Amino acid sequence: AQSVTQPDIHITVSEGASLELRCNYSYGATPYLFWYVQSPGQGLQLLLKYFSGDTLVQGIKGFEAEFKRSQSSFNLRKPSVHWSDAAEYFCAVGDDGQNFVFGPGTRLSVLP
Amino acid sequence: DTEVTQTPKHLVMGMTNKKSLKCEQHMGHRAMYWYKQKAKKPPELMFVYSYEKLSINESVPSRFSPECPNSSLLNLHLHALQPEDSALYLCASSQVRLGGGNTEAFFGQGTRLTVV
Repeated sequence: AQSVTQPDIHITVSEGASLELRCNYSYGATPYLFWYVQSPGQGLQLLLKYFSGDTLVQGIKGFEAEFKRSQSSFNLRKPSVHWSDAAEYFCAVGDDGQNFVFGPGTRLSVLP
Repeated sequence: DTEVTQTPKHLVMGMTNKKSLKCEQHMGHRAMYWYKQKAKKPPELMFVYSYEKLSINESVPSRFSPECPNSSLLNLHLHALQPEDSALYLCASSQVRLGGGNTEAFFGQGTRLTVV
């Protein structure tokens, strides 16, 4: 069965600093990979996705992620964080069935 | 339009009440999902409907009863819930891939359920 780990429970960065959130997955075949963001009490918003092709994918709000098969990773990056980026970030993997499995999430705090 | 609409946004119900959560999408997606999310936890899959048929039931107690009346609507009927069922209930939809699997899921804003 597939699984997702996000090693960092909580990350704090200063506004304007760069950001990298880590995600590792376990899945036998080529995974479908996603990053979602959730503000308190809200639903999940899709930031970006990887299905195949170019391993560097661009998303909304200036985010990008890189798929590295050899490391089973799909890390999320942003060159300059804004205060409005403070939220919970979930990495997810989709299988050949109809299930999406989410990682435990990383909470991002942004210092002014 | 990439919107999934859930109603109500908030719901408080007693343990003997019967209530329903509603979800609607007009993106032509043929897979629809119910997730349960407790505070500071990731969403947990409850049910998946594919082409209006229940395809996944993650051993959810029978006090939760899903229904998919048509390809745009998804309901979750609630009866005799327990306080530990209080959570954010999220609906999502996605397209079904011809070769298997689904495309990305789009989520609604959720219903915040409190059982008293």
